[in-house]
Amino acid sequence: NAGVTQTPKFQVLKTGQSMTLQCAQDMNHNSMYWYRQDPGMGLRLIYYSASEGTTDKGEVPNGYNVSRLNKREFSLRLESAAPSQTSVYFCASRDRNNQPQHFGDGTRLSIL
Amino acid sequence: GENVEQHPSTLSVQEGDSAVIKCTYSDSASNYFPWYKQELGKRPQLIIDIRSNVGEKKDQRIAVTLNKTAKHFSLHITETQPEDSAVYFCAATLPGAGSYQLTFGKGTKLSVIP
Repeated sequence: NAGVTQTPKFQVLKTGQSMTLQCAQDMNHNSMYWYRQDPGMGLRLIYYSASEGTTDKGEVPNGYNVSRLNKREFSLRLESAAPSQTSVYFCASRDRNNQPQHFGDGTRLSIL
Repeated sequence: GENVEQHPSTLSVQEGDSAVIKCTYSDSASNYFPWYKQELGKRPQLIIDIRSNVGEKKDQRIAVTLNKTAKHFSLHITETQPEDSAVYFCAATLPGAGSYQLTFGKGTKLSVIP
């Protein structure tokens, strides 16, 4: 039981390049989330998917797009990467209301 | 939406002492309050959570208290050990449609000095 798996673990991009971050969970959870974590800012929600087939914006959605491919997979895409998007990105999933979110190991993304 | 404030941002304690981290939330309708521990370079991991129908919850050396009237909740760690050193995040969520969004505090870096 792997939980939440994110790929890649590390990535360096040049400004303007595009990239998709992958996330998969094997816990049969309904909801999935993408966060970014910057020093001193805590975890900020980018997008979430309450259930398969739905996606909604979080606190900081600008510059990102998401796809809930199926119940297991939720991807995050940067169409034109900017240095301000240098961050650690975490994917998480949750079964239902008032249950904890489970996090992946994160993707460390640097944009030059 | 919900807003969560967390204090202090850094905390140093001697091994064996207690540590207390406090969070306040803005929306009185919030009903679920998890605490996460994040070691350096690792994922956030749930250590304890509390729901609004409970005032206190304890798990070995860790306890969380909730004061709904004052809209604050606290994490208490007793008999601290060096392995407790990490960043701790509190969070809150609203019921219903708002339950999908978990609002985090900015974190407290706890250092336990041997």
